[in-house]
Amino acid sequence: QQPVQSPQAVILREGEDAVINCSSSKALYSVHWYRQKHGEAPVFLMILLKGGEQKGHEKISASFNEKKQQSSLYLTASQLSYSGTYFCGTEGGNTPLVFGKGTRLSVIA
Amino acid sequence: NAGVTQTPKFQVLKTGQSMTLQCAQDMNHEYMSWYRQDPGMGLRLIHYSVGAGITDQGEVPNGYNVSRSTTEDFPLRLLSAAPSQTSVYFCASSPQGPRMPQHFGDGTRLSIL
Repeated sequence: QQPVQSPQAVILREGEDAVINCSSSKALYSVHWYRQKHGEAPVFLMILLKGGEQKGHEKISASFNEKKQQSSLYLTASQLSYSGTYFCGTEGGNTPLVFGKGTRLSVIA
Repeated sequence: NAGVTQTPKFQVLKTGQSMTLQCAQDMNHEYMSWYRQDPGMGLRLIHYSVGAGITDQGEVPNGYNVSRSTTEDFPLRLLSAAPSQTSVYFCASSPQGPRMPQHFGDGTRLSIL
């Protein structure tokens, strides 16, 4: 039931781009993205609703392909502050929100 | 504006002991949930509630009980603690349902010896 995230971990140099993928075997109504810094609580980034919309948040954006039950998070021109673990969460309409195992992103100078 | 408050922040228990993790929110949110976080396992849903008086099981409910007698509070009870329940526990809430941004508490780090 947990969505599957890939890659599990990625290391970037400042200024490089990254893509984190999230897929589910079940039909989805919405996809959430959160970032967690070490020792802290997850923090909400964005929600994408059924309809295939793409959202943006400064240099972080995401897309949602409801037909493929997939979402991707795009981080462009990465900064040191982007380091952390990224989680996608999915829900299918009459189901609660469940999260993937996370993608650990490390941005180095 | 406190948001989601979890207590205690840290706790050490012995196997077989019982305890209650507290979660309270002051935002009048209807939807509340409990997750546990273990290395390499992500956030796994334990129990959730869509409103006062209504609770349901998540992915890993065994060994845990919940109740929701008020909108504000959603305590998680460990009936007989086991070492496998050593984890970081997060409580989250949202205004209405899982389709809205979840506000997380700071977590409770629980160790069971």
